[in-house]
Amino acid sequence: AQSVTQLGSHVSVSEGALVLLRCNYSSSVPPYLFWYVQYPNQGLQLLLKYTSAATLVKGINGFEAEFKKSETSFHLTKPSAHMSDAAEYFCAVSVGTYKYIFGTGTRLKVLA
Amino acid sequence: NAGVMQNPRHLVRRRGQEARLRCSPMKGHSHVYWYRQLPEEGLKFMVYLQKENIIDESGMPKERFSAEFPKEGPSILRIQQVVRGDSAAYFCASSPKIAGGLNEQFFGPGTRLTVL
Repeated sequence: AQSVTQLGSHVSVSEGALVLLRCNYSSSVPPYLFWYVQYPNQGLQLLLKYTSAATLVKGINGFEAEFKKSETSFHLTKPSAHMSDAAEYFCAVSVGTYKYIFGTGTRLKVLA
Repeated sequence: NAGVMQNPRHLVRRRGQEARLRCSPMKGHSHVYWYRQLPEEGLKFMVYLQKENIIDESGMPKERFSAEFPKEGPSILRIQQVVRGDSAAYFCASSPKIAGGLNEQFFGPGTRLTVL
């Protein structure tokens, strides 16, 4: 069965510091992988997606993620955190043509 | 091109009442998916529908929950006799029809249901 694990339900970083949000997946077949951001009381906004093209994926707002098959990971990074990055971030995997499986989310706090 | 629309955005019901959540997919999308997000959790798949057909309802609770996507009009997620445990955010997503490959889903803003 496919699954997604996000390590760290809460992450705090200082403004300007590196953001690293971890995501590991389990899949018996090549997956499609996604990162979404959710601001309070809002819907999901797609940050980036991996669909078996380049392993380093660049997304919106300066975020990027690297697909590492050997580590079954798809960690999200941003070189310099902004206050506006404070939100909840979800990693998701889709195996097959539908049914996304989401991680439990990581709440990012950015300290001034 | 408008995105996925959901209404109402917030819904308050008392225990035992019915809740009806509506989802209008993006223009040109014929596939609809419903997810539920319980407090402090990720989204969980509930049901996948195409026009007039339920394709996969493996994530739907066995009782009180139903979904439809009629030929005309929005998709409806209905919860009968709501209980406090139904309080959650319900998200709808839609995708275009694709022969093979990923049905990339586009998410709506969600309906936040509160059961008193």
